[in-house]
Amino acid sequence: EAGVAQSPRYKIIEKRQSVAFWCNPISGHATLYWYQQILGQGPKLLIQFQNNGVVDDSQLPKDRFSAERLKGVDSTLKIQPAKLEDSAVYLCASSQPDRGVGYTFGSGTRLTVV
Amino acid sequence: AQTVTQSQPEMSVQEAETVTLSCTYDTSESDYYLFWYKQPPSRQMILVIRQEAYKQQNATENRFSVNFQKAAKSFSLKISDSQLGDAAMYFCAYSLTGTASKLTFGTGTRLQVTL
Repeated sequence: EAGVAQSPRYKIIEKRQSVAFWCNPISGHATLYWYQQILGQGPKLLIQFQNNGVVDDSQLPKDRFSAERLKGVDSTLKIQPAKLEDSAVYLCASSQPDRGVGYTFGSGTRLTVV
Repeated sequence: AQTVTQSQPEMSVQEAETVTLSCTYDTSESDYYLFWYKQPPSRQMILVIRQEAYKQQNATENRFSVNFQKAAKSFSLKISDSQLGDAAMYFCAYSLTGTASKLTFGTGTRLQVTL
């Protein structure tokens, strides 16, 4: 079974520039999550999709972050404009819609904003 | 809101010895899941062990076991016969039951394994 694919693996941008991250979840996983992991902290949920609908985006800074999941498969997370404090690892995960099992994480994108 | 606390930023253990990582959590729910994840430098979160709150028996997975104290809201991870490959960040996490519940993570414990 293929894992959760994410790209790019690394990205360095200047502040006020825009950036996009891509995630391809495990085939058949209806739920997709984007987490932000700042250095020295645990991952924090940014947004959760169920198929192509948003379940939870309460922690997403909507003035600069946006995400979409077209056709309920791939997802893209965008930051525009980026700030220095957005430097972090962005992890994508997917899960099976059953009792709390089956979270699978990608290897993340490390974003550095300079 | 649910919170997860890991009070040990770093731990060290000698190879072949046993180490225990601590985790406490806060929730008003009675049914939930608790997890320990390992994050090596590759950054991918790897599930180490999972505990269902309604089960009284502590989960075990080879060299990894947990001490789940529901009343105390404590969930510690014991690693026996530590190996060099166990060195990583370890995160305690919580989720509600039901379909597609998010994970809430602690701040992590960095485990070093020495010869």
